Amino acid sequence: LAKTTQPISMDSYEGQEVNITCSHNNIATNDYITWYQQFPSQGPRFIIQGYKTKVTNEVASLFIPADRKSSTLSLPRVSLSDTAVYYCLVGDKRYSTLTFGKGTMLLVSP
Amino acid sequence: DAGVIQSPRHEVTEMGQEVTLRCKPISGHDYLFWYRQTMMRGLELLIYFNNNVPIDDSGMPEDRFSAKMPNASFSTLKIQPSEPRDSAVYFCASSSDTRSGNTIYFGEGSWLTVV
Repeated sequence: LAKTTQPISMDSYEGQEVNITCSHNNIATNDYITWYQQFPSQGPRFIIQGYKTKVTNEVASLFIPADRKSSTLSLPRVSLSDTAVYYCLVGDKRYSTLTFGKGTMLLVSP
Repeated sequence: DAGVIQSPRHEVTEMGQEVTLRCKPISGHDYLFWYRQTMMRGLELLIYFNNNVPIDDSGMPEDRFSAKMPNASFSTLKIQPSEPRDSAVYFCASSSDTRSGNTIYFGEGSWLTVV
């Protein structure tokens, strides 16, 4: 079971780039790395997913080194509305392995 | 697409009463999940279904909790009898079985308070 470790909280200011790193030392060959975002009073929302190297979409970038033992979610030029909890998940299609953990609480200030 | 639809959004009930939470997954999704979220324990997977069949219910806290999925478009999570410690946000989520990984789509949650 691939367990993840990520910072409990991070602070940033509007316009800055935010990088949240997640450690997953015992990631398995078939595991994907997925990040979710959760706003207060809402369910988690998919942000980005990757297997190796770099993935970019309209919201974020995901950097995965060759050993895949960690990953970094990069949010370019954050705004106040990016204040949320960000979860890193590692797992394959056996959904019983998907656990959300505590996530990282990102607070973006003016 | 309407997304995952949950009802009720909020419920306040007295200890000992039966609570039924309902979920309609995204059409075409063949996986359905029930999660519970509290401040103390975070987001916990209670049970998940594949093609209406329960696959893993190891997260269900005790016999007071039961979940059913009678068809591909409907699932229920029942708590009987309810207790104050069951107060939490209950999320339903669904996913399709794709080769690209496992993206899960969550509903807005059912906020349960047991007094």
